[in-house]
Amino acid sequence: EVQLVETGGGLIQPGGSLRLSCAASGFTVSSNYMSWVRQAPGKGLEWVSVIYSGGSTYYADSVKGRFTISRDNSKNTLYLQMNSLRAEDTAVYYCARGPRVGAISFFDYWGQGTLVTVSS
Amino acid sequence: QSALTQPASVSGSPGQSITISCTGTSSDVGVFNYVSWYQQHPGKAPKLMIYEVSNRPSGVSNRFSGSKSGNTASLTISGLQAEDESDYYCSSYTISTTLVFGGGTKLTVL
Repeated sequence: EVQLVETGGGLIQPGGSLRLSCAASGFTVSSNYMSWVRQAPGKGLEWVSVIYSGGSTYYADSVKGRFTISRDNSKNTLYLQMNSLRAEDTAVYYCARGPRVGAISFFDYWGQGTLVTVSS
Repeated sequence: QSALTQPASVSGSPGQSITISCTGTSSDVGVFNYVSWYQQHPGKAPKLMIYEVSNRPSGVSNRFSGSKSGNTASLTISGLQAEDESDYYCSSYTISTTLVFGGGTKLTVL
């Protein structure tokens, strides 16, 4: 059974850093493309970043240069390193799995999400 | 990376059909068949309902269907049921190698 479990959220001051983790089971994270998607309180979904099976990474303009997506194949875990955090980064962050091939087009499994609150 | 345009809300009575539109541009919806739709109940993670414009994942009711014409994709739900009341989001791959979501549509079953 495929499962994604995010951890690492919390309250952080503006300008601070935080690293989110997404532990996967039931499949290998390096075999599929994996993304982070966030949702600000009461707002819609916003795509954040993707890492393809080959290792290529892409980011939304809103986080480019501040966030870094990575994975640890030995731990079967996806990460999101978030630096220079801003109030507008406050959101529930979901990790999501895509298929093995193709461009980012859909996500068939999602984690339960972890809340990041950026506030002084 | 402007969000795709969806109506803020739609409504229908049980048994009726409704359609939710998702309008993009020639840089996303209009050029790729990589449109997907998600259902999200309050406090829950999104659930994939349609992928690649019109494909249904295993386990999703055949009351849900998707289509696309030009820069606009659509999700149709037939035989509305109370359990369909939820938020719905579309998404599309873009020529910038990114993904963009719609603003979301709240479906109310009257």
